[in-house]
Amino acid sequence: GENVEQHPSTLSVQEGDSAVIKCTYSDSASNYFPWYKQELGKRPQLIIDIRSNVGEKKDQRIAVTLNKTAKHFSLHITETQPEDSAVYFCAAFTGGGNKLTFGTGTQLKVEL
Amino acid sequence: DAGVIQSPRHEVTEMGQEVTLRCKPISGHDYLFWYRQTMMRGLELLIYFNNNVPIDDSGMPEDRFSAKMPNASFSTLKIQPSEPRDSAVYFCASSWSGPYNEQFFGPGTRLTVL
Repeated sequence: GENVEQHPSTLSVQEGDSAVIKCTYSDSASNYFPWYKQELGKRPQLIIDIRSNVGEKKDQRIAVTLNKTAKHFSLHITETQPEDSAVYFCAAFTGGGNKLTFGTGTQLKVEL
Repeated sequence: DAGVIQSPRHEVTEMGQEVTLRCKPISGHDYLFWYRQTMMRGLELLIYFNNNVPIDDSGMPEDRFSAKMPNASFSTLKIQPSEPRDSAVYFCASSWSGPYNEQFFGPGTRLTVL
């Protein structure tokens, strides 16, 4: 089955700096890669996603890039703010149904 | 729509007791997922349903865990007997069918087994 690895597990940045989280996947058939944000004590919520026929997607301060050849994708957050502090999960969608395989999560802390 | 609804929000029980977690998906969604989240193992898919039929239960840790979806608006996850290592946050999520569809998560049930 699919295996998704995520790095780093923790990331601390200064407010205003950029943050990058990287994921790799194993199944070349995976074709959809969403990113979820989970604030402390809350549920995971989708923040951005990318399909396999697209190399990059942006939404204001966040962007995701996908390299199908290398089987890795990344989340980029620019001009980080304290409210960006949360756990971020990448995921890969493979096969039938809507089954997602999640990465292990990155705890992002934005310091003032 | 109120979103995915889960109950109870918190459950504290003693080892050996039966625990039942409940989920109401978003109306119209035909996929329902049960996840378990722990610090050690992250977010794990336990089982998912399509049109009330279990499709993949390979993530269910052992026979003590069972899940049902008797109709399109209700699902249960049962643990019998419960053990301390089952302590976790259990999330239910739902989505429309087809690829590229967002999974909407419920608020989760925090289970503590003493």
